Amino acid sequence: DTGVSQDPRHKITKRGQNVTFRCDPISEHNRLYWYRQTLGQGPEFLTYFQNEAQLEKSRLLSDRFSAERPKGSFSTLEIQRTEQGDSAMYLCASSQPRDSEDTQYFGPGTRLTVL
Amino acid sequence: AQKVTQAQTEISVVEKEDVTLDCVYETRDTTYYLFWYKQPPSGELVFLIRRNSFDEQNEISGRYSWNFQKSTSSFNFTITASQVVDSAVYFCALSGYQTGFQKLVFGTGTRLLVSP
Repeated sequence: DTGVSQDPRHKITKRGQNVTFRCDPISEHNRLYWYRQTLGQGPEFLTYFQNEAQLEKSRLLSDRFSAERPKGSFSTLEIQRTEQGDSAMYLCASSQPRDSEDTQYFGPGTRLTVL
Repeated sequence: AQKVTQAQTEISVVEKEDVTLDCVYETRDTTYYLFWYKQPPSGELVFLIRRNSFDEQNEISGRYSWNFQKSTSSFNFTITASQVVDSAVYFCALSGYQTGFQKLVFGTGTRLLVSP
């Protein structure tokens, strides 16, 4: 299996601009997750999808953030009107529950810098 | 609330030394899962182990071993005969019914530096 891939790996933008990130999960995985990681911290959960349905959103996901997974395969995370506080690593993970196993496998992340 | 504490911010060892990374967790759930992930400088989180709350058996995988003790709410990770390639940030994580099994709660990580 190929792993989780994310694009772009790095994004530098100016405050106020919109950015969009893409995540391609492991092919047979029906669950997809987004996390945010700031410097020196562990990842924090943002949202997750089962197939195309967005089932949970963290309160960290302000109304400037929107995530989609239109066909239950890849997902996009858009941030509108970026702020300097949005600078972070955005990590995507996927999983496929089997019996009692549901392990999340992570991609390489997209590092966002807002100037 | 669910919480994971990794009190060791950074550990430095010399190659071939053994090192233990501590993880203490808090949860009111009776069913929960504990994880360890490795984050090398490239940034990708690499899955190492998953353990459910009903399985307190210690596990060994090559140079890695894990000690799960419910009595002290700890899930410690030991690397035997450390190597330079073990240098990374290691995260302990928890999921459970309270916050949803799909949501991982991570600690702040322990940076391990192994020098030759």
